[in-house]
Amino acid sequence: ETGVTQSPTHLIKTRGQQVTLRCSSQSGHNTVSWYQQALGQGPQFIFQYYREEENGRGNFPPRFSGLQFPNYSSELNVNALELDDSALYLCASSGRTNTGELFFGEGSRLTVL
Amino acid sequence: KNEVEQSPQNLTAQEGEFITINCSYSVGISALHWLQQHPGGGIVSLFMLSSGKKKHGRLIATINIQEKHSSLHITASHPRDSAVYICAVPRDSNYQLIWGAGTKLIIKP
Repeated sequence: ETGVTQSPTHLIKTRGQQVTLRCSSQSGHNTVSWYQQALGQGPQFIFQYYREEENGRGNFPPRFSGLQFPNYSSELNVNALELDDSALYLCASSGRTNTGELFFGEGSRLTVL
Repeated sequence: KNEVEQSPQNLTAQEGEFITINCSYSVGISALHWLQQHPGGGIVSLFMLSSGKKKHGRLIATINIQEKHSSLHITASHPRDSAVYICAVPRDSNYQLIWGAGTKLIIKP
């Protein structure tokens, strides 16, 4: 067990709705990265948070937003859901950006109808 | 040409066989990650290495920084090793992981 927990594990939404996904990071890890993995594809980097600040962003529109709390847990918010947002959303925590060992959660599988 | 390339894409072997999965990359890196993903599941980090060799149980990972190549080996493979194995590297002076396409491994009993 990695110590990284994500919730919810599965959820179904309809187009246009909003969703919040949560991630609690490994104890002592101050960096959380979020990834989107569409079925049959590799993960795509969404953004990373380091000590409550966004520390980099991939090629995702502004309706994908995030937050990191003082305890280093994190949220991913997606507004105005589209069908193509259906994917497995993974968060990974690490102690240092870029060079630390990564710990992944089991993911949140989002289905948009 | 992809920045991180893995081979083979698919690999089927019999239980007990020695498995090798290769990863080549073209960007400068500080470390390379080997990860495992089971069907429908999350990702488990197997190794992070920046030089030489690491061993954990039946898994061995090696990296040659000069040749920009890494290999993941599984000794005495077992059906429970069946999964997708992915190598990923962070961009030079960046935080974003570049992922290989993954190698789907099936070990038959």
